[in-house]
Amino acid sequence: DAKTTQPPSMDCAEGRAANLPCNHSTISGNEYVYWYRQIHSQGPQYIIHGLKNNETNEMASLIITEDRKSSTLILPHATLRDTAVYYCIVRVATKGAQKLVFGQGTRLTINP
Amino acid sequence: EAGVTQSPTHLIKTRGQQATLRCSPISGHTSVYWYQQALGLGLQFLLWYDEGEERNRGNFPPRFSGRQFPNYSSELNVNALELEDSALYLCASSLVGLWGQFFGPGTRLTVL
Repeated sequence: DAKTTQPPSMDCAEGRAANLPCNHSTISGNEYVYWYRQIHSQGPQYIIHGLKNNETNEMASLIITEDRKSSTLILPHATLRDTAVYYCIVRVATKGAQKLVFGQGTRLTINP
Repeated sequence: EAGVTQSPTHLIKTRGQQATLRCSPISGHTSVYWYQQALGLGLQFLLWYDEGEERNRGNFPPRFSGRQFPNYSSELNVNALELEDSALYLCASSLVGLWGQFFGPGTRLTVL
């Protein structure tokens, strides 16, 4: 699985958009970008995933650059409950490679 | 729809004992994954079960084992417990393929 690089920490004001970057310069053509978050002492929560097109769901938007070497997770209107560690994971989606490899993630703090 | 459930929530054992952790996946999910998250460390992949069989295993000693039952629920067994086995053990389930893994709340194992 491709290695990802994320900033260790970020701050964002409540109500503003939180933009979390992720570099995955060695991503392969068949690898997807997944985002999870983990609120303190809870299990990780799936947020969104994508291959090459931008994706949006009720939680967030995922913007993937055209060369697919980086992506940005956007929380459009951050709330205090969005404070968590956010993990960017790149992996293939084949039956033989199902494990998730978590890095250190970005600790996002939403400030009132 | 019920999410992934795990039991017990907390488990305290002494060194050398055995621990059994249980996981019930989301209805319809056939794959179950186990991860270990030691204090201050990231999530480490332990085991993946699909359709009752072990499909992949992380870099853990053989005293970490498990099984998946016909109803797709799963057990994780840890034999000859060591102090460093103290961690949050997370179970996740998914449909094999593209979609994300959905995590349970975890079992916090403390080895004294």
